[in-house]
Amino acid sequence: GQQLNQSPQSMFIQEGEDVSMNCTSSSIFNTWLWYKQEPGEGPVLLIALYKAGELTSNGRLTAQFGITRKDSFLNISASIPSDVGIYFCAGLRGNNNDMRFGAGTRLTVKP
Amino acid sequence: GAVVSQHPSRVICKSGTSVKIECRSLDFQATTMFWYRQFPKQSLMLMATSNEGSKATYEQGVEKDKFLINHASLTLSTLTVTSAHPEDSSFYICSAQDSNYGYTFGSGTRLTVV
Repeated sequence: GQQLNQSPQSMFIQEGEDVSMNCTSSSIFNTWLWYKQEPGEGPVLLIALYKAGELTSNGRLTAQFGITRKDSFLNISASIPSDVGIYFCAGLRGNNNDMRFGAGTRLTVKP
Repeated sequence: GAVVSQHPSRVICKSGTSVKIECRSLDFQATTMFWYRQFPKQSLMLMATSNEGSKATYEQGVEKDKFLINHASLTLSTLTVTSAHPEDSSFYICSAQDSNYGYTFGSGTRLTVV
């Protein structure tokens, strides 16, 4: 099925640095979701966005639902070693049963 | 919050045997559950949508006779990998939609076919 275009694929940063990743699509989505997945585990929801233009924070994480409804970004401020993992964006469209995932951004944080 | 329990977390089986994976919504009812497959360093690929009381909807390219899905109750969906082969080895993850339209994932099942 159609996937979202997520970038960057991977990031290697120093502890304390800020991180930004984004997802784009040619299709409109009703909801954008950001998940974090650690090795051998299922994805865990970080932030959910329901309205175009919505900006939502969860601790050091901030995400926005693009005005065009075709994109979203996730920022992580002041990264720490436990931020390591793979971050996935996901978009919901139609009757909200149609969920598509980005390819993921693999984040490595050096202490 | 919503909790989805997936079992087993790891399974090793012999080629040609079948393996059943369970996905349970513990504190909510889920009329719809989803099954994903994930290869190393790749994203989640939707395999099928499991609908309570009716047939599952499979994504293009997914063999319905090989990946049997049963959603017999509002809290349980099962995925059975029939006549497993080494190429079926993968990480399988389920998710369920709760009443607030949130999607909660299970912890995944690592299947190794030897």
